[in-house]
Amino acid sequence: SQKIEQNSEALNIQEGKTATLTCNYTNYSPAYLQWYRQDPGRGPVFLLLIRENEKEKRKERLKVTFDTTLKQSLFHITASQPADSATYLCALDRGGRRALTFGSGTRLQVQP
Amino acid sequence: SQTIHQWPATLVQPVGSPLSLECTVEGTSNPNLYWYRQAAGRGLQLLFYSVGIGQISSEVPQNLSASRPQDRQFILSSKKLLLSDSGFYLCAWSAGQGNQPQHFGDGTRLSIL
Repeated sequence: SQKIEQNSEALNIQEGKTATLTCNYTNYSPAYLQWYRQDPGRGPVFLLLIRENEKEKRKERLKVTFDTTLKQSLFHITASQPADSATYLCALDRGGRRALTFGSGTRLQVQP
Repeated sequence: SQTIHQWPATLVQPVGSPLSLECTVEGTSNPNLYWYRQAAGRGLQLLFYSVGIGQISSEVPQNLSASRPQDRQFILSSKKLLLSDSGFYLCAWSAGQGNQPQHFGDGTRLSIL
């Protein structure tokens, strides 16, 4: 079955630096991968979707890469701000079924 | 625009009592609907999803059930709650056939005593 690994350790960075979060997966070759942001006590909010034939996707200060050889996606936030502090979840498609498998998330803390 | 409503926001129930959580979506038709559970500090566990009225796919065998009596209504139920049913329950919807973003409600915090 699909396995998704996100760094369970919190990531602490200084304001203004670039945050890089990792999502690794095994036992599957997803057609697309999504990233979500979740604040405490709230539902996740969709950020970006990247397809298997796309190497990179950008949206404002966010950048996602998708390496199907390494079975890895990297999520970057440039010029990070304290307001970027949250948990970030990656999710994989389930091969034609209209459902996703979510990773456990990485908590990002941006220090002012 | 589309909105998703989930209620109640918090719920405290005794062990063995029944459960009914409701989720409705507005502003779209024939959405895919999902129920997730999230334990503290953990990822999202997909419980059920539905691609149409009366069509329910169950991901995890347990004492919960789901129903979709109307196009934009999704209900999560239990006849007898267990302590292990405590958690944060999230409803979500997506459009289309696949590779579409999911849009989540604000969740229900369920505590079983």
